[in-house]
Amino acid sequence: EAGVAQSPRYKIIEKRQSVAFWCNPISGHATLYWYQQILGQGPKLLIQFQNNGVVDDSQLPKDRFSAERLKGVDSTLKIQPAKLEDSAVYLCASSLRQGITYEQYFGPGTRLTVT
Amino acid sequence: KNQVEQSPQSLIILEGKNCTLQCNYTVSPFSNLRWYKQDTGRGPVSLTIMTFSENTKSNGRYTATLDADTKQSSLHITASQLSDSASYICVGRRDSNYQLIWGAGTKLIIKP
Repeated sequence: EAGVAQSPRYKIIEKRQSVAFWCNPISGHATLYWYQQILGQGPKLLIQFQNNGVVDDSQLPKDRFSAERLKGVDSTLKIQPAKLEDSAVYLCASSLRQGITYEQYFGPGTRLTVT
Repeated sequence: KNQVEQSPQSLIILEGKNCTLQCNYTVSPFSNLRWYKQDTGRGPVSLTIMTFSENTKSNGRYTATLDADTKQSSLHITASQLSDSASYICVGRRDSNYQLIWGAGTKLIIKP
């Protein structure tokens, strides 16, 4: 079974530029998550999708971050314009369903450096 | 406030030795507690999941314990190997909205 795919793996941009990350979840997984992980910290949930609908985006900085999951499969996360404090690893995860017993499977992440 | 605190922040041990990582959680309403292993440059991978009724669970050389009364959990690693070098993250799950509360992790380094 293929895992969660993310691209690119690394990205370096200057502040005020825009950037987009892509995620392809495990086939058949209805729930998709985007996390931000700052060095030395645990992941912070940015947004959660159930199929193509948003379940939780309470911690997404909506003035600069946006995400979509058209057709309920792939997802993109965009930052525009980027700030220095956005430097982090952006992790995508998916689970079969939303619920207590459903395990989240993580992709390798995209490491973003904003200079 | 829902939070998970882990100790120590980092730990260095020699290959073959045992170690124990600690986790204190304040998660309400509590559903379950998970331990993840995160290798450098990779996403977290689940090691164990325990509900409040379980007080120990093993996965190979990893053994997790849970004390629901004191809201503490530990992860014990037996006969450490170089491949155990990673960050270990404790995560509490809320029963009300399935929200995951992540700890900051313990960075474990195994030296030959």
